[in-house]
Amino acid sequence: GEDVEQSLFLSVREGDSSVINCTYTDSSSTYLYWYKQEPGAGLQLLTYIFSNMDMKQDQRLTVLLNKKDKHLSLRIADTQTGDSAIYFCAENNNAGNMLTFGGGTRLMVKP
Amino acid sequence: GAVVSQHPSRVICKSGTSVKIECRSLDFQATTMFWYRQFPKQSLMLMATSNEGSKATYEQGVEKDKFLINHASLTLSTLTVTSAHPEDSSFYICSALDRGSYNEQFFGPGTRLTVL
Repeated sequence: GEDVEQSLFLSVREGDSSVINCTYTDSSSTYLYWYKQEPGAGLQLLTYIFSNMDMKQDQRLTVLLNKKDKHLSLRIADTQTGDSAIYFCAENNNAGNMLTFGGGTRLMVKP
Repeated sequence: GAVVSQHPSRVICKSGTSVKIECRSLDFQATTMFWYRQFPKQSLMLMATSNEGSKATYEQGVEKDKFLINHASLTLSTLTVTSAHPEDSSFYICSALDRGSYNEQFFGPGTRLTVL
C-alpha cells in the first residue's frame, strides 16, 4: 500500500527558515498536501501542489516536489513562534479521494 | 474556504455507553465524508469513508459494528462509538469532500473522546 514518511521533529530559531521533508511511495499521486495541526485542534490546509508541478510558492511557504525521487518539502521562511505545530504531508491516492498521511513533523520554534 | 463543524468538541463518558459525534459541512454539500482517528503524538488513521445514502466503507481492522456511521444527508455524517471502552479514547476528526472545490477535503476541528 501507499506509504508516506516524515521526520518526527524539527527545532529552529525564530527568524530562521524551516524545511520539513516528506517521502512517499505512490507514484500515481495527483495532489500532495501540507497540513498544520495546532495542539488539540483539527487540521488546517496550508498548501498543496499538483503532481505535474515542481514548485509552488505562497507567501512564506515554498513547496518543492521531486517526483522522480518522490520527495516533497515545505519551506517556511522567517519562521515565527506561531508556526510551532505538527505538520503533516498527505497524498491523494486517487482511490476515492482518500488521503494518506505521513506521521507528522513537530516543529518547535525557539525565540 | 469551506467550513466543517464537529459536535461535541469534547466528551467524557463511562465504559459501556455509546457516544455520537456529528460532522457537518456548513456551506457546501458533501456526498463523501471521512472519519479519522488520531492517537496522541501519532498521525491520522482513516477509519471509514462515509457516503451519503449508502453504507460506509470501513478500513481494514475497524469494527463496523462498534463504529456506526450514518450519512443521512448531504451535510451531515455521524459516528457512533458503541459500548465504549477506555481504549476507544482518542481524537476523532472528520473531513468533508467538496467536489466543487477540486475535491479538496475540509477538516473538522476534532472531537476529544475520553472513556472512563
